[in-house]
Amino acid sequence: DAGITQSPRHKVTETGTPVTLRCHQTENHRYMYWYRQDPGHGLRLIHYSYGVKDTDKGEVSDGYSVSRSKTEDFLLTLESATSSQTSVYFCAISGGVVTDTQYFGPGTRLTVL
Amino acid sequence: QKEVEQDPGPLSVPEGAIVSLNCTYSNSAFQYFMWYRQYSRKGPELLMYTYSSGNKEDGRFTAQVDKSSKYISLFIRDSQPSDSATYLCAMSARNYGGSQGNLIFGKGTKLSVKP
Repeated sequence: DAGITQSPRHKVTETGTPVTLRCHQTENHRYMYWYRQDPGHGLRLIHYSYGVKDTDKGEVSDGYSVSRSKTEDFLLTLESATSSQTSVYFCAISGGVVTDTQYFGPGTRLTVL
Repeated sequence: QKEVEQDPGPLSVPEGAIVSLNCTYSNSAFQYFMWYRQYSRKGPELLMYTYSSGNKEDGRFTAQVDKSSKYISLFIRDSQPSDSATYLCAMSARNYGGSQGNLIFGKGTKLSVKP
């Protein structure tokens, strides 16, 4: 998984609780991304980062916030989780020789009851 | 119309068959095209990367891009049971970051290769 770890790998939580997912990379890549993957929708971009403290919204950013205080870490926060945020979340990185080549982490399976 | 269309399948073939997977797209600005393979409960892994039109071959895999038709294909020769996975096409308008460098994915085609 190209030096990318995600934590936790599985989480079950209740509606209304805050949740933070962590992505950690050891590749020193500039760009980091958060996606969600749902049946019938494929991979959809939530937020991305193009450097420390530099982030921007993706296609499905409502209800999510992100932070990047170090090159290696990109956090995704659900301030108040809802059942519609039950999904598999993937982190990806890019910024090597071929910058559009994104490498994905193993994913976090989140269930919101 | 979605930016990237991909037939979800499922596609079932016998071992040894030639497999053809396809995506169509609507944005003529796309120049960078990728195929990812995703095994069940795993993250997508990059399989092939091509720039602009033409063919690229890597072992049993061949990627084709026809920009005039806005159509890309992935061919798998001598398919094996280990090729059973979901295949995702992805594309972007430029090769560096920012919103136009972000990848747009197809929904994926689920392939099953039977022994």
